Amino acid sequence: EVQLLESGGALIQPGGSLRLSCAASGFTFSNYGMTWVRQAPGKGLEWVSIITGSGTRAYYGDSVKGRFTISRDNSNNTLYLQLNGLRADDTAVYYCARGDRVTASRFDYWGQGTLVTVSS
Amino acid sequence: EIVLTQSPGTLSLSPGKRVTLSCRASQSVSSSYLAWYQQKPGQAPRLLIYATSTRATGIPDRFSGSGSGTDFTLTINKLEPEDFAVYYCQQYGNSPRYTFGQGTKLEIK
Repeated sequence: EVQLLESGGALIQPGGSLRLSCAASGFTFSNYGMTWVRQAPGKGLEWVSIITGSGTRAYYGDSVKGRFTISRDNSNNTLYLQLNGLRADDTAVYYCARGDRVTASRFDYWGQGTLVTVSS
Repeated sequence: EIVLTQSPGTLSLSPGKRVTLSCRASQSVSSSYLAWYQQKPGQAPRLLIYATSTRATGIPDRFSGSGSGTDFTLTINKLEPEDFAVYYCQQYGNSPRYTFGQGTKLEIK
């Protein structure tokens, strides 16, 4: 059974940093692109970042480019998101999700999310 | 950037009815790269439909998708109580880049 478990969410001050983790199990982690999608309170879904299975390529949405960094540890089946320069509008539930194996064009399994609150 | 616009924003219907949700793209989207998700309160999104019309694993056949170019639809036949949720369309484009529609809330009448 595919499982994704996020952790690391917290209340953080504007300008601060945070690292989110997503522990994966139930599939061959290195075979899949992995992504982060966020959802501000009461709002819709926003794609944040994706990383290839090997970890060699990463891509970002415009609102986080230059501030967030996605990475992965395939030996420990864990996905990360480093959040720097946090702003109030980064407040959201952050979900990790698995990209489909062939195209990574859709996200077939999702974690339950971790809440990041940016406030002074 | 391709913008996806979903309509209507909210729908109120009774169980047993048929509903069609719309997703319109600002530019043509490959039918291979249009997906639909369902999200219930307090839960993560769940993949329903991918490649415009293919149901994801375990999705009942009352859910169907169609469309091409800039206009896509999700149809739910004979609404069940568990179908009342928010539905999002999503597209994948070059760069890569992923965008979601703003969502349609389906509520019980």
